[in-house]
Amino acid sequence: DAGVTQSPTHLIKTRGQQVTLRCSPKSGHDTVSWYQQALGQGPQFIFQYYEEEERQRGNFPDRFSGHQFPNYSSELNVNALLLGDSALYLCASSLHDLYEQYFGPGTRLTVT
Amino acid sequence: AQSVTQLGSHVSVSEGALVLLRCNYSSSVPPYLFWYVQYPNQGLQLLLKYTSAATLVKGINGFEAEFKKSETSFHLTKPSAHMSDAAEYFCAVRSQGNLIFGKGTKLSVKP
Repeated sequence: DAGVTQSPTHLIKTRGQQVTLRCSPKSGHDTVSWYQQALGQGPQFIFQYYEEEERQRGNFPDRFSGHQFPNYSSELNVNALLLGDSALYLCASSLHDLYEQYFGPGTRLTVT
Repeated sequence: AQSVTQLGSHVSVSEGALVLLRCNYSSSVPPYLFWYVQYPNQGLQLLLKYTSAATLVKGINGFEAEFKKSETSFHLTKPSAHMSDAAEYFCAVRSQGNLIFGKGTKLSVKP
């Protein structure tokens, strides 16, 4: 049973560029949440997708957007990258929004 | 608003010693609480969860946590530390279907 997978593992981008990160949820899960984890900090909630719609959003600017596909996989897009966007981006999946969220290994984004 | 506070950003114990990682929560409703572990360069792994059933929750790898409403606490313990327990530990509270995390506690285990 495959867990949550994310791609790519690492990414280096330049300020002002755009980036797309990808996530496949755990088998049987239909809800995907994205988190940003800055160095030395706990993860912070970006947004959540369910039934291909953004259901909840944290305190992140509109530069952060996402999408969920019919197979429940999801993308996180960040436009006009800033140095402060450098972080580990974690995807988590769950069945609806029931108790447990299962996390992927993350994508390490470095903005130079 | 719901929140969690982890006391101590770094805890160091000797192998075989008791592990105690502290977490206090703030919630206006009965909380769902979680402990996650993160090994270097990896994602988060769920250790255990509290969902308003038994107040003493047992998790994986010998960890357990006790929910104490009167103290608004959900501390994580393990009777005997192992070298493989060295990692960062995060306490989290469920908020409208998502998680609010504490800042984490890094656990070091000395031989």
